[in-house]
Amino acid sequence: AQTVTQSQPEMSVQEAETVTLSCTYDTSESDYYLFWYKQPPSRQMILVIRQEAYKQQNATENRFSVNFQKAAKSFSLKISDSQLGDAAMYFCAYRRVITQGGSEKLVFGKGTKLTVNP
Amino acid sequence: KAGVTQTPRYLIKTRGQQVTLSCSPISGHRSVSWYQQTPGQGLQFLFEYFSETQRNKGNFPGRFSGRQFSNSRSEMNVSTLELGDSALYLCASSSGTGYGYTFGSGTRLTVV
Repeated sequence: AQTVTQSQPEMSVQEAETVTLSCTYDTSESDYYLFWYKQPPSRQMILVIRQEAYKQQNATENRFSVNFQKAAKSFSLKISDSQLGDAAMYFCAYRRVITQGGSEKLVFGKGTKLTVNP
Repeated sequence: KAGVTQTPRYLIKTRGQQVTLSCSPISGHRSVSWYQQTPGQGLQFLFEYFSETQRNKGNFPGRFSGRQFSNSRSEMNVSTLELGDSALYLCASSSGTGYGYTFGSGTRLTVV
């Protein structure tokens, strides 16, 4: 079974600085998707960024970027120019590629609580 | 475009009762998944429905069930509630390819 590990239960960063959240996963599949979700106190899980395993280029969304190391099974999230609104729980998630007519669940890590200090 | 709507936001039930939670997906999304979130176990997959059919089920007892209607709205039911069922229940919808999931704000269930 696939597993996702986030080794940092909590992280903190000063406003305007850069922080990197770590995520490793275990799978025997060659093609899959990886996601970072943000969960603020409002509880809604918000998709931050996603990466397709067959793409070598690291995904980027504005201030958010990933460092995807497929061989090492590592998928870290870098947040640049941190803002107060970035404070939240961040979850790394894995999903296998869906085969026709099939269904695959998201497998989540335990999360990293990010605090942004003014 | 309206997001995923879950009702109610909060719920308090007594042990032994049953509860029904509702999820309205994004218009056009045919897949609805349910997840349970607890401090101890984290986020765990309950089940997924696609076009009114359950396509996948997580490792939960039979007390947890769900269904999906023709308009893609979904409900999940928990019977004979236990204290350990206290959790945030999140619903996610997708177009079916699974490339992206949009979550609702969840229903916070407290069993006393």
